[in-house]
Amino acid sequence: QVQLQESGPGLVKPSGTLSLTCAVSNDSISSRKWWSWVRQPPGKGLEWIGEIYHSGSTNYNPSLKSRVSISIDESMNHFSLELTSVTAADTAVYFCAGRSAWMLEYWGQGTLVTVSS
Amino acid sequence: EIVLTQSPGTLSLSPGERATLSCRASQTISFIYLAWYQQKPGQAPRLLIYGAATRATGIPDRFSGRGSGTDFTLTINTLEPEDFAVYHCLHYGGSMYTFGQGTKLEI
Repeated sequence: QVQLQESGPGLVKPSGTLSLTCAVSNDSISSRKWWSWVRQPPGKGLEWIGEIYHSGSTNYNPSLKSRVSISIDESMNHFSLELTSVTAADTAVYFCAGRSAWMLEYWGQGTLVTVSS
Repeated sequence: EIVLTQSPGTLSLSPGERATLSCRASQTISFIYLAWYQQKPGQAPRLLIYGAATRATGIPDRFSGRGSGTDFTLTINTLEPEDFAVYHCLHYGGSMYTFGQGTKLEI
């Protein structure tokens, strides 16, 4: 079973850059899967951020596209998220997820990122 | 852009009862790309149903989905204590995902 684990700073200053990594276990990140980031503000619903394929192809949520970059590191078997110019509205639990078909099948446990000075 | 509206926002029921959750799309969508997830506090979402009606691996048959066009339903027959959680619907289209705002199923 594919396992995903998010890591990164739990606190980011306003106007700074949020950077997270998702480590993939029990599978190769180069397998025929897409790898996504999803976030959930405290007490609110889920929001898809974007995804990447091992070839480097990406898809982003139009509402975040200008601030988001997702990259992949095959040598480390992980993928990463960068979100720039963060504000308090970006405070959320960030999940990484993966899919082989169209639906998001595999999920990490999530990591809380707080934007505050 | 597709908007998914889930109702009710909160559903209060008791174990043994039947739950019916709704997900309405702002325009006609393919049932193939409609899924339901269960999320418990402090946990990641878990895939329950995809293709509007196909249960994911290991999901009990008390969970069922149906629908087409703009209206989709998740039914949970004979609620078990562990079924009280938040349920999200999800649509995939145009190389992006859209979630509903969620329905909280509470005792």
